[in-house]
Amino acid sequence: ETGVTQTPRHLVMGMTNKKSLKCEQHLGHNAMYWYKQSAKKPLELMFVYNFKEQTENNSVPSRFSPECPNSSHLFLHLHTLQPEDSALYLCASSQGVSGRDTEAFFGQGTRLTVV
Amino acid sequence: GESVGLHLPTLSVQEGDNSIINCAYSNSASDYFIWYKQESGKGPQFIIDIRSNMDKRQGQRVTVLLNKTVKHLSLQIAATQPGDSAVYFCAEIWGNTPLVFGKGTRLSVIA
Repeated sequence: ETGVTQTPRHLVMGMTNKKSLKCEQHLGHNAMYWYKQSAKKPLELMFVYNFKEQTENNSVPSRFSPECPNSSHLFLHLHTLQPEDSALYLCASSQGVSGRDTEAFFGQGTRLTVV
Repeated sequence: GESVGLHLPTLSVQEGDNSIINCAYSNSASDYFIWYKQESGKGPQFIIDIRSNMDKRQGQRVTVLLNKTVKHLSLQIAATQPGDSAVYFCAEIWGNTPLVFGKGTRLSVIA
């Protein structure tokens, strides 16, 4: 148990569906992240939030829409996805975004399949 | 391109032997390096880290070596066990940049 909880663990959705991924951290951290992990690819950073403010959007398509209502919760809203968006979506949190504070603690991930 | 990469995508070792997983990085300004372990169906978990002003750091059965001259990082696992089977990622930190991860090395332990 890392203190970062993601739901659901598995999700199958059609290309016209709208769904949301949820992440909650119980570590008192200030920064939260969404990463995408595809087969045979490095972990790809998608979004960074620090104190609820988005500080980085790594050229992510608009069909992925993040929301961070507070420092403990992070959502990823999904709309009109493509089959190539199927991947493991990992949420992480860290104490901060500078130096050693950037050490990330990951959730278990949501395995997303787009059909 | 990515600044962190791994020399070998897969590594198979006999149970009880030592494992060495390598990582190359290109940013000489990196402050910290972290090794993560990712087991099947789980998110990456912290194993050990090392600051850029250190050459070696030891944990429980794991040792990380840092060679800044050639920008090389390695993770040594002593007496490898079946539970060590996983994908191992190195990551580097510099300034205010989020973690940069390498591609990962899959370690398979042969019983």
